[in-house]
Amino acid sequence: AQSVTQLGSHVSVSEGALVLLRCNYSSSVPPYLFWYVQYPNQGLQLLLKYTSAATLVKGINGFEAEFKKSETSFHLTKPSAHMSDAAEYFCAVTSLMDTGRRALTFGSGTRLQVQP
Amino acid sequence: EPEVTQTPSHQVTQMGQEVILRCVPISNHLYFYWYRQILGQKVEFLVSFYNNEISEKSEIFDDQFSVERPDGSNFTLKIRSTKLEDSAMYFCASSDQETQYFGPGTRLLVL
Repeated sequence: AQSVTQLGSHVSVSEGALVLLRCNYSSSVPPYLFWYVQYPNQGLQLLLKYTSAATLVKGINGFEAEFKKSETSFHLTKPSAHMSDAAEYFCAVTSLMDTGRRALTFGSGTRLQVQP
Repeated sequence: EPEVTQTPSHQVTQMGQEVILRCVPISNHLYFYWYRQILGQKVEFLVSFYNNEISEKSEIFDDQFSVERPDGSNFTLKIRSTKLEDSAMYFCASSDQETQYFGPGTRLLVL
């Protein structure tokens, strides 16, 4: 079984400040990890993914995340927040090691507010 | 850039009615999925579809739900007799080997 925990349902930062959104996962097999962003009244857009290659992955809009196996974490960061980053962010896990098991398990989401 | 599309964007229906939600996956993808997101809650997996059959389904996906790929491009989710608790945003996704790409969703409201 797999699960995802996102600490902090709401995070508020000032424009230009560091963004840190936390994600911890649980998986009995090597995980594939994803961050998706959801803007108001829109679908889920892929930000970045970890699929067992480099542990530090870079995504769109200046976001990056680091896979830390020892901490079972995949936290999302951005050095400098922009007003347009205000959205809901979802961490998700799956594993392609289990035959046929491809469903994503999502965290509860973190709503990011950016203050001017 | 190819994208997943979904129709309709919004649907309002009466309890007990059948609804069909439609999706056009990315053309060279082989895996298709439906997820739902009840307002204020997390995104939940419903079903995955590969090689013209269901490959995995969650406990949410009971006998009221069915999926079909009626032709080479569409992928549909049918809810036979809608309940109030079926009100949610329904997302279709398709994937290559690794990454699922999501459509914009259909917001279903059951009255």
